[in-house]
Order: sequence, then C-alpha cells, then structure tokens
Amino acid sequence: GENVEQHPSTLSVQEGDSAVIKCTYSDSASNYFPWYKQELGKGPQLIIDIRSNVGEKKDQRIAVTLNKTAKHFSLHITETQPEDSAVYFCAATLDDKLIFGTGTRLQVFP
Amino acid sequence: GAGVSQSPSNKVTEKGKDVELRCDPISGHTALYWYRQSLGQGLEFLIYFQGNSAPDKSGLPSDRFSAERTGGSVSTLTIQRTQQEDSAVYLCASSWTGSGNTIYFGEGSWLTVV
Repeated sequence: GENVEQHPSTLSVQEGDSAVIKCTYSDSASNYFPWYKQELGKGPQLIIDIRSNVGEKKDQRIAVTLNKTAKHFSLHITETQPEDSAVYFCAATLDDKLIFGTGTRLQVFP
Repeated sequence: GAGVSQSPSNKVTEKGKDVELRCDPISGHTALYWYRQSLGQGLEFLIYFQGNSAPDKSGLPSDRFSAERTGGSVSTLTIQRTQQEDSAVYLCASSWTGSGNTIYFGEGSWLTVV
C-alpha cells in the first residue's frame, strides 16, 4: 500500500521568512496530493492541492511542487505570519483513500 | 448543513462500554471516510464508503470497530468494549466522489476512555 513520509516534524521560523515542508510517497499510481492545515482542537482544513498532471501550483503565499519521477512533493509558504502556526499534513490518494504523512508542527515567531 | 457535522464533540466513557459516533456528511457527497488521530499523531485511515459499493474496511484496527452508512448519508462508527488505547479524536470526512475530489473534514469527536 501507499506510504507517505513527511519532514521535518517541527519547524520554527521568524515572521516573514519562508517555510518548506517535504513529503515523499511510495506508490507511483497515486495521483492527487492535498495539503491540510490543522489548528488546535479543529479538524484538518484543505489549503492547497495538486494533481499528478501538474508540476506546480500557487495560491497567494502558498505553493506546492510535485516531482513524479522522484515521488516527492513540497509545500512552500512565503512571508510567514503568526497565524500560519499550526500542524500541516501532506497526503497522497491511492484507491480513493487519503494516506497522510505524520505532520509538521510549524511555529512562526513574531 | 454547510460542512461535515460530527456528534458528540466530546465523549468520556468507561472501559468496556460501547460507544457510537455519528457523522453527517456534506449534502450530496457520496464518499465518506473515518480517520483516527491519537494525541499529537497523524491521521490513521479506518474505513471508506463510496455510494452503494461495499465499504473499504481495511483500516479498522480490530473487530471491536464497525461502521455503517444508512441511506447513503449519515454514518455511525461503533466501538465495542472500549479500551484505553481507543482514546483519540475520530474524524469524519466526505467528498463528491472519491479519487481526486476535495475531501472535507469535520471537527472530530474526542473520545476518552477511562
């Protein structure tokens, strides 16, 4: 089955700096890669996603890149703000199921 | 409703008791998922329903766990003879169909087994 690895597990940045979170997946048949943000006590919320026929997607301060050959994808947050502090999860879809990475706790210090 | 609705939001139960957790998906969504999230951990897939197809139960951790989806809408996750290790947040999610469609999560049901 699919296995998703995510790094780093924790990330601390200064406000205004960029943050990068990286994930790898094992099954080349996976074709959909969403990123979720989870705040304390809340359910995960989708922030951006990418499909396997696209290499990069951007939405304001957030971008995601996908390298199908290497089977890895990354989340890039620019000009970080304190409200970006949360746990971020990557995921890969195989057989209609989302398999999640283990999460990255991002802390943005003012 | 506008989003995925779960109840109860919090549940404390004694070890050995049965619990039922309910999920109301977004109206019209045919795919429904249950995930479990232990404290500070990632999301563990439990079960997936898609329309009238047989559910994918491959993630259920033991035969004490079961789930139903009645009328293609509301789903109930049942945990029998609860154990302390069952303490976790149980998250429900739904989407229009399956693969490649945005999956929306509820706020979760926090289960504590004492």
